[in-house]
Amino acid sequence: QQQVKQSPQSLIVQKGGISIINCAYENTAFDYFPWYQQFPGKGPALLIAIRPDVSEKKEGRFTISFNKSAKQFSLHIMDSQPGDSATYFCAASMNTGFQKLVFGTGTRLLVSP
Amino acid sequence: DSGVTQTPKHLITATGQRVTLRCSPRSGDLSVYWYQQSLDQGLQFLIQYYNGEERAKGNILERFSAQQFPDLHSELNLSSLELGDSALYFCASSARQTGRSADTQYFGPGTRLTVL
Repeated sequence: QQQVKQSPQSLIVQKGGISIINCAYENTAFDYFPWYQQFPGKGPALLIAIRPDVSEKKEGRFTISFNKSAKQFSLHIMDSQPGDSATYFCAASMNTGFQKLVFGTGTRLLVSP
Repeated sequence: DSGVTQTPKHLITATGQRVTLRCSPRSGDLSVYWYQQSLDQGLQFLIQYYNGEERAKGNILERFSAQQFPDLHSELNLSSLELGDSALYFCASSARQTGRSADTQYFGPGTRLTVL
């Protein structure tokens, strides 16, 4: 019940295309859903985050779509660029004050020039 | 640069040994989290400290322990090391521990531990 399932495991997208990564969760107590971007040799960096009271959040080329009833959320990267090539992790945490992040298994994105 | 620092960057040691990983949170952040990243287990939460007190425990082995000092830096101690402990260990910090909303966690660059 604490798991966050992420797919696909890897993704190859042409430059300028749309990258879509999906996540699903079971625990309805989760109420904070961040996406992290990780480059090789670096720590995860927060990309964008959403709470369940909205269905979509957009920041630049990055959009989170959130479906509370389906317990699913996804990251869309518009106009994907080679510099976006990285591993992306979805995560979830509960609003309890003990805010451990439960991470998805990660998606390795490669944007080809 | 997240503002979270971790030392050392790399650590190579032998089975059975003990190591200490150090983390300095962002200035002003009171919460420190430790995560382990391995190929087979992904990113796993280990333990959280808030202003010097342990607040939450995750999948942390009994051979592992942590503490947060009065200056808010934290150390993760790994003892009786096994080959399977080889992983990246990340520290993250956030501003506060709150019951109202989750705070952004900022991750450090990690310590890569290799147990031979």
